[in-house]
Amino acid sequence: DTAVSQTPKYLVTQMGNDKSIKCEQNLGHDTMYWYKQDSKKFLKIMFSYNNKELIINETVPNRFSPKSPDKAHLNLHINSLELGDSAVYFCASSRWGQGANTEAFFGQGTRLTVV
Amino acid sequence: AQTVTQSQPEMSVQEAETVTLSCTYDTSESDYYLFWYKQPPSRQMILVIRQEAYKQQNATENRFSVNFQKAAKSFSLKISDSQLGDAAMYFCAYRSAGAGNQFYFGTGTSLTVIP
Repeated sequence: DTAVSQTPKYLVTQMGNDKSIKCEQNLGHDTMYWYKQDSKKFLKIMFSYNNKELIINETVPNRFSPKSPDKAHLNLHINSLELGDSAVYFCASSRWGQGANTEAFFGQGTRLTVV
Repeated sequence: AQTVTQSQPEMSVQEAETVTLSCTYDTSESDYYLFWYKQPPSRQMILVIRQEAYKQQNATENRFSVNFQKAAKSFSLKISDSQLGDAAMYFCAYRSAGAGNQFYFGTGTSLTVIP
C-alpha cells in the first residue's frame, strides 16, 4: 500500500524523444512536488502544486510540463529529451499549512537515462 | 530563498559508535520546520526525524536525536550506536511554515559505517 508511487522506476530513452512520468499519492495530501536529483545527489525543486494549482515553478526548461488532473496526481511530461536531462526524478507530497506532520513523503524515484 | 548548508560531504563512523552530522540554515522566518532524511542505496527518501522551530525541546527518535540551536540556525543530527544499516546519504531539509510550503534541501552527507 504505497503512499507515493511513481512510474516507471527506470526509463531509458533516446535524445529527442518525449516521455512522461506519473505520480500518485494516497495520503490525502493537497500539495505535490517534483524534484530533480543530479549525479552529485543534489535535490532541486522543479514544481510544486497545491490543490491542482501551480505554486512553484523554478527555472526549468519549457520542455518540462507538469500536469495535475486532481489533488492525488501530478505527472511530469518531458519533450525533446536531452542528455542533460539524465537524472533521478522524485515526486513528493505533503500537507499544506502548519502544524504537525508537515514532512514530505517521497516516491521511489524514476531514474531517467537519455542516450 | 532559504539556504541549507551541510559542510560535511562525507563522514565515517565505526559500528556501535556515535556520529554527528552538521547542518546550518539561513532564514529570516521565525516559524519553520526542520527535517533529516536518509537516502540509502535503494534511493528511497526516508524521514529520520523532524523538529518544529517553535519547540525548544530537541527531537529524538530511538537512536537518532537532534541538537537544535535556533539562534545559531544550527540543526545537527546525532546517531548513537551506529549500525551498518545507517550507511546512507543524509539530507537536512528546511520547510517554511508560510506561503509556498517549499522544502529546501542541503547538499547531503554520505555516511559510511565501518564494521
